[in-house]
Amino acid sequence: DGGITQSPKYLFRKEGQNVTLSCEQNLNHDAMYWYRQDPGQGLRLIYYSQIVNDFQKGDIAEGYSVSREKKESFPLTVTSAQKNPTAFYLCASSIGVGWGQPQHFGDGTRLSIL
Amino acid sequence: GQQLNQSPQSMFIQEGEDVSMNCTSSSIFNTWLWYKQDPGEGPVLLIALYKAGELTSNGRLTAQFGITRKDSFLNISASIPSDVGIYFCDKTSYDKVIFGPGTSLSVIP
Repeated sequence: DGGITQSPKYLFRKEGQNVTLSCEQNLNHDAMYWYRQDPGQGLRLIYYSQIVNDFQKGDIAEGYSVSREKKESFPLTVTSAQKNPTAFYLCASSIGVGWGQPQHFGDGTRLSIL
Repeated sequence: GQQLNQSPQSMFIQEGEDVSMNCTSSSIFNTWLWYKQDPGEGPVLLIALYKAGELTSNGRLTAQFGITRKDSFLNISASIPSDVGIYFCDKTSYDKVIFGPGTSLSVIP
């Protein structure tokens, strides 16, 4: 079955550490996205990528970094510069970034600070 | 900038009741997508609308693309407990990803 896989499901970080969240898709989609969701809140876009080796900042990119070396993979690193990283992180993909392109979401990674 | 507003922000309804929610924008766009997010999971696409005035159903769900092209409505008939979740609208354009803030639905058995 085609889909989008996020790992791990739960992640704990010590203050001052960088952590990397994994996102892999086998849908052959060109576009991939990372969102942050705080309790009771909507989705806020962190980064998105329309094609391999290219990505754009979203609304809340500070303290995060991404790479897109392969079409299937779009890992997100939460750096120590992100002062409030505790949140639910969602990865998504779509055929492209364009009119009416539905996004397919993973099941999320919940990040907590120890 | 472009923003989406969703109302109501949250709803508490009795099982069996019908539900109505909407999404509005200050800008005209050509596409409306509705997603549902179950607790602890990622959103899933419910309905896609591509034409002003379009009315589309998916089981107990019905969504309409407003004639003004600035709004969309989602109705759920005869709600059941598994309808609980957050409903998001999305009108992503060619270079901008835009999700609404969501409507949280709680169904009381």
